[in-house]
Amino acid sequence: EIVMTQSPATLSVSPGERATLSCRASQSVSSNLAWYQQKPGQTPRLLIYGASTRATGIPARFSGSGSGTEFTLTISSLQSEDFAVYYCQQYNNWPPWTFGQGTKVEIK
Amino acid sequence: EVQLVESGGGLVQPGRSLRLSCTTSGFSFGDSAMSWVRQAPGKGLEWVGFIRSKAYGGTTEYAASVKGRFTISRDDFKSIAYLQMNSLKTEDTAMYYCPRGIDYFDYWGQGTLVTVSS
Repeated sequence: EIVMTQSPATLSVSPGERATLSCRASQSVSSNLAWYQQKPGQTPRLLIYGASTRATGIPARFSGSGSGTEFTLTISSLQSEDFAVYYCQQYNNWPPWTFGQGTKVEIK
Repeated sequence: EVQLVESGGGLVQPGRSLRLSCTTSGFSFGDSAMSWVRQAPGKGLEWVGFIRSKAYGGTTEYAASVKGRFTISRDDFKSIAYLQMNSLKTEDTAMYYCPRGIDYFDYWGQGTLVTVSS
């Protein structure tokens, strides 16, 4: 089973600042990686798939990069609605698909 | 508009069974793979399993933690996916989601809460 490790666990950022979230896979997942956003009490929302392709309707301030075992989600200028928990997920080696434990982005 | 609505959750005793439904609309259900993902209270996301479309054999795959106890099925006429859960354990307590997709998941419902407790 591929283990996905996200860092940091919590990221404190001021509105308007840049946020950089990391996700590491225990073995290569090529570019088969997705990012999700989940706000409290809400359902997860797909942000990025294929490591760098934005999903439909996702603002350009969200960008993904990386391949193999190291991935990054960047939010270029944090808006108030971006404070949430972010999960990465690999879909290269199954079963199972695996998620990271999440990074909480909070207001500084 | 794509919609997915999970239902069937509730409080159930350990060892009992429960069947969840995922009623969909707004997309070609018969051409779509469907998955189940769960989230224990205050925890992260855990993939449960998926069912391929009939065009790909309608076959299923499961996480090791539920294999042999859970069964995913589909009714393409009604555009509904099901999750039959047998021999439930306390650790199965979670919100259950049925997102569309087989690898990444582009549409999610609001989930249905399953609580396994005596």
